[in-house]
Amino acid sequence: EAGVTQFPSHSVIEKGQTVTLRCDPISGHDNLYWYRRVMGKEIKFLLHFVKESKQDESGMPNNRFLAERTGGTYSTLKVQPAELEDSGVYFCASSPLNLRGAVRADTQYFGPGTRLTVL
Amino acid sequence: GQQLNQSPQSMFIQEGEDVSMNCTSSSIFNTWLWYKQDPGEGPVLLIALYKAGELTSNGRLTAQFGITRKDSFLNISASIPSDVGIYFCAGQRNAGGTSYGKLTFGQGTILTVHP
Repeated sequence: EAGVTQFPSHSVIEKGQTVTLRCDPISGHDNLYWYRRVMGKEIKFLLHFVKESKQDESGMPNNRFLAERTGGTYSTLKVQPAELEDSGVYFCASSPLNLRGAVRADTQYFGPGTRLTVL
Repeated sequence: GQQLNQSPQSMFIQEGEDVSMNCTSSSIFNTWLWYKQDPGEGPVLLIALYKAGELTSNGRLTAQFGITRKDSFLNISASIPSDVGIYFCAGQRNAGGTSYGKLTFGQGTILTVHP
């Protein structure tokens, strides 16, 4: 079974340009999360989709970031216009719904990340 | 926002030595998790802890969920070169229902093991 995949693996853009990151979750996983790690700091939550709906977008830095998950499958994260402080590694993670309602942590499976550099 | 303070930031050890790292938080989490990230990869779950005081092992790894629910530690015994990587603690609040919420991560511990 394929894991979480992300594209591109690296992106180098100039300040003011637009970049779109893509995440393909594990097939059948309805939960999809975006996280970001700025160099040397903690991995920070950006937002959470359940199917195509945004469950929690409290971590989105500002309105230059737009995430979509049309059809509840893959997701895109667009940064427009990019700023220097947007540089970092963007991770996507997915997990299945907890259909039994058990109070256990879900195992979020992470993709390899997209390393974004804004010059 | 919530922060997890993870220490140490980095460790340089000899193969065969034991390693210990910990995380503390100002707020309570229902679940504590430990992840490892290898170069070029995303974080992979090592151990999940669900109850205060719980002690769980996974091979040479042992982790504990603090009694106050505000801290956790991870021990690695008899380290080997492939233990090299970045270790992250993470807390999660389980709201119940069919979907869980976000993970809150610590800053990571960079582990280097010298053969």
